[in-house]
Amino acid sequence: DAMVIQNPRYQVTQFGKPVTLSCSQTLNHNVMYWYQQKSSQAPKLLFHYYDKDFNNEADTPDNFQSRRPNTSFCFLDIRSPGLGDAAMYLCATSRAEGAGGYTFGSGTRLTVV
Amino acid sequence: TQLLEQSPQFLSIQEGENLTVYCNSSSVFSSLQWYRQEPGEGPVLLVTVVTGGEVKKLKRLTFQFGDARKDSSLHITAAQPGDTGLYLCAGTSYGQNFVFGPGTRLSVLP
Repeated sequence: DAMVIQNPRYQVTQFGKPVTLSCSQTLNHNVMYWYQQKSSQAPKLLFHYYDKDFNNEADTPDNFQSRRPNTSFCFLDIRSPGLGDAAMYLCATSRAEGAGGYTFGSGTRLTVV
Repeated sequence: TQLLEQSPQFLSIQEGENLTVYCNSSSVFSSLQWYRQEPGEGPVLLVTVVTGGEVKKLKRLTFQFGDARKDSSLHITAAQPGDTGLYLCAGTSYGQNFVFGPGTRLSVLP
């Protein structure tokens, strides 16, 4: 089945130690998104790629970076994780911006110790 | 900035009861979606509505888009424990990224 896969499901990292979360898709969708979701809150968009075009949300901290080496893969890099960065990180895809439904991965739950 | 409000924030009911949750905004949306998110999983798309006044049914779930396309409701008939989860609405306006509401956390007790 076509899907969005996130690895790992659970990630524990040390305060200040760089960490990378990965997302892959078999849907061949043009757009890939990274969301941060904290407990009992709405998913918050960090950034998205439309093909190779990177779009950063204005309030996304510089500590968060992303790479999309090809259509299928997208990475979220957190350069110096703080305790406040502990959250569920969701990757999603869609055919186009603001169109159709989003297909989400199962998420990576990040713990910072 | 488009903001979505959802109510109630939390809802706990017994199996077999009916319920309605709401999604409201002061903005007009060209498209609105409902998702269900189970604990530890990503949200799963339930429905997309695009026409003011539109009603869509998905088994025991009925979705309505307001005439002015500023609000939506989700009605569940005869709720089951499998309906438990976080219900998120998300809206977009003409090609912009979807904005999510804070969700309604539903618990259906057997």
